[in-house]
Amino acid sequence: DAKTTQPPSMDCAEGRAANLPCNHSTISGNEYVYWYRQIHSQGPQYIIHGLKNNETNEMASLIITEDRKSSTLILPHATLRDTAVYYCIVRVEGSSNTGKLIFGQGTTLQVKP
Amino acid sequence: NAGVTQTPKFRILKIGQSMTLQCAQDMNHNYMYWYRQDPGMGLKLIYYSVGAGITDKGEVPNGYNVSRSTTEDFPLRLELAAPSQTSVYFCASSTSGARYEQFFGPGTRLTVL
Repeated sequence: DAKTTQPPSMDCAEGRAANLPCNHSTISGNEYVYWYRQIHSQGPQYIIHGLKNNETNEMASLIITEDRKSSTLILPHATLRDTAVYYCIVRVEGSSNTGKLIFGQGTTLQVKP
Repeated sequence: NAGVTQTPKFRILKIGQSMTLQCAQDMNHNYMYWYRQDPGMGLKLIYYSVGAGITDKGEVPNGYNVSRSTTEDFPLRLELAAPSQTSVYFCASSTSGARYEQFFGPGTRLTVL
């Protein structure tokens, strides 16, 4: 699975959009980009994932560059409850895939009033 | 649906003791995983299972054992506990394949003294 690079920390004002970047320059064509978050020692929570196209759900939007070497998770209106560690992970889809997640250290997002 | 449940929530062990961390899921997921998370770090995969009777090692399997006799349960056994096994342990499950999200339990906080 490709390695990802994220900034260690970011701040965001409450009510503003939070844009969390992720570099995955060695990503392969069959690797998905996944985002999870972990709120203060709870189990990680799935946010969104995508392969090539931009994706949106009730929690966030995922923007993947055309060359797929980087992506951005967007929380459109950040709240204090969005303060968490955000993990960007790439996973391969294939016949031998076991669904394993390889976690880096993620980005700690601090939403401030 | 209870989702993924883990017991106990907290445990303190003495060096050399053994214990079993319990994990159960009621979503009929084939894939189950055990992760550990040390302070300030991302999660690391210990063991995983792609179905009843099938298990395999992850990144950090030493000092642990697993079994998967049913689809629902995936216990993690610690033999001869050591201080290096002080960590938070998370169990997760998912439908087969990389395109499906993993659901995480609330975690077990283990201290070995």
